[in-house]
Amino acid sequence: EVQLLESGGGLVQPGGSLRLSCAASGFTFTTYRMSWVRQAPGKGLEWVSLISESGDMTFYTDSVKGRFTISRDNSRNTLHLQMNNLRVEDTAVYYCARNFHWIPDYWGQGTLVTVSS
Amino acid sequence: EIVLTQSPATLSLSPGERATLSCRASQSITTLLAWYQQKPGQAPRLLIYDASNRATGIPARFSGSGSGTDFSLTISSLEPEDFAIYYCHQRSKWPQTFGQGTQVEIK
Repeated sequence: EVQLLESGGGLVQPGGSLRLSCAASGFTFTTYRMSWVRQAPGKGLEWVSLISESGDMTFYTDSVKGRFTISRDNSRNTLHLQMNNLRVEDTAVYYCARNFHWIPDYWGQGTLVTVSS
Repeated sequence: EIVLTQSPATLSLSPGERATLSCRASQSITTLLAWYQQKPGQAPRLLIYDASNRATGIPARFSGSGSGTDFSLTISSLEPEDFAIYYCHQRSKWPQTFGQGTQVEIK
């Protein structure tokens, strides 16, 4: 069974940093691209970032470029999202997702990031 | 960035009725469109990929069609568990984007 478990969310002040992690199990992690997708409270889905199987290719939505970094540790079956210079508008539930045909297929349950002073 | 516009925003129907949801792209995305279902408090679930292919385990009452800029998701006969929010998603160009969602509610 595919399982994705996010962690690392919490309350942070504007300008602060957080590192999200996603522990994957139930599939061969090294053979799948992985993504982060977020959802602000009461709003729709927003695609954030994607990383290739080996980690050599990364993609970001414009609003997080230069502030967020996606990475993966294939030895530990773990996906990360380093978030720096956080803004109030980054407040959201962040979902980790496995990719099939370059699109999210299995999703975790999400971790809430709240950016507020 | 490619903008996906979904219509209607809300669809009020009764169980057993047919639901047709629309997604229009701001430029051609060939057939690189997916559909997701999300229920309150849950993560999204992949329904359809590449415009018309059902994902694993998705019932046959869900079907997708379209190409270029105009796409639709049809639920042939609504079951009680189908009342949810539906999102379209494109992977044709970076960044990937989602539509704003269509809520299918019980009439």
